[in-house]
Amino acid sequence: QLQLQESGPGLVKPSETLSLTCTVSGGSISSSSYYWGWIRQPPGKGLEWIGSIYYSGSTYYNPSLKSRVTISVDTSKNQFSLKLSSVTAADTAVYYCARTVTVSDAFDIWGQGTMVTVSS
Amino acid sequence: DIQMTQSPSSLSASVGDRVTITCRASQSISSYLNWYQQKPGKAPKLLIYAASSLQSGVPSRFSGSGSGTDFTLTISSLQPEDFATYYCQQSYSTFITFGQGTRLEIK
Repeated sequence: QLQLQESGPGLVKPSETLSLTCTVSGGSISSSSYYWGWIRQPPGKGLEWIGSIYYSGSTYYNPSLKSRVTISVDTSKNQFSLKLSSVTAADTAVYYCARTVTVSDAFDIWGQGTMVTVSS
Repeated sequence: DIQMTQSPSSLSASVGDRVTITCRASQSISSYLNWYQQKPGKAPKLLIYAASSLQSGVPSRFSGSGSGTDFTLTISSLQPEDFATYYCQQSYSTFITFGQGTRLEIK
């Protein structure tokens, strides 16, 4: 059964870069049937899509975050990663990675989420 | 960007009730609409994709309908485990957006 697990620092200082990795287990990240995304949720608020990546490396980003976001994929490690630069307190959130089914563009499998706090 | 507006924002209902949640898109999104359920401290769970297709393993009391700009999620007979927050999400645009959520509470 495919599983996703986020990993990375839980505390990031303002103006620094947030870096998270999502490890895919129980299946291959290199499938044309799926692509991979990052979604975040500030405490007590709704869901915000950050961006998505295909195993080929093609990316799509939320325009409001595009200038600060980089998503990459490492097929040899079955992982994809998120970097968000110049973070502020507004970037404090639970960050989820998720699999997207290509035919429906629905996020069908999610990681458990990781809380990232931006604070000095 | 395509704005997704859910109504109501919160809803109180009893076990056994029939409940409907509405999601409206700011422009036509055909049937590119998905519904999720989220419980406190947990990741969202996909319920319905492509407006009306039931995700594998999801109870049949959940159903979705609509196309264009107006969509509904219906729970035919509320069960205790259904009290949660529900989100719609459009995948028509490469800029994916979610509704603000509907919190379903026990009356």
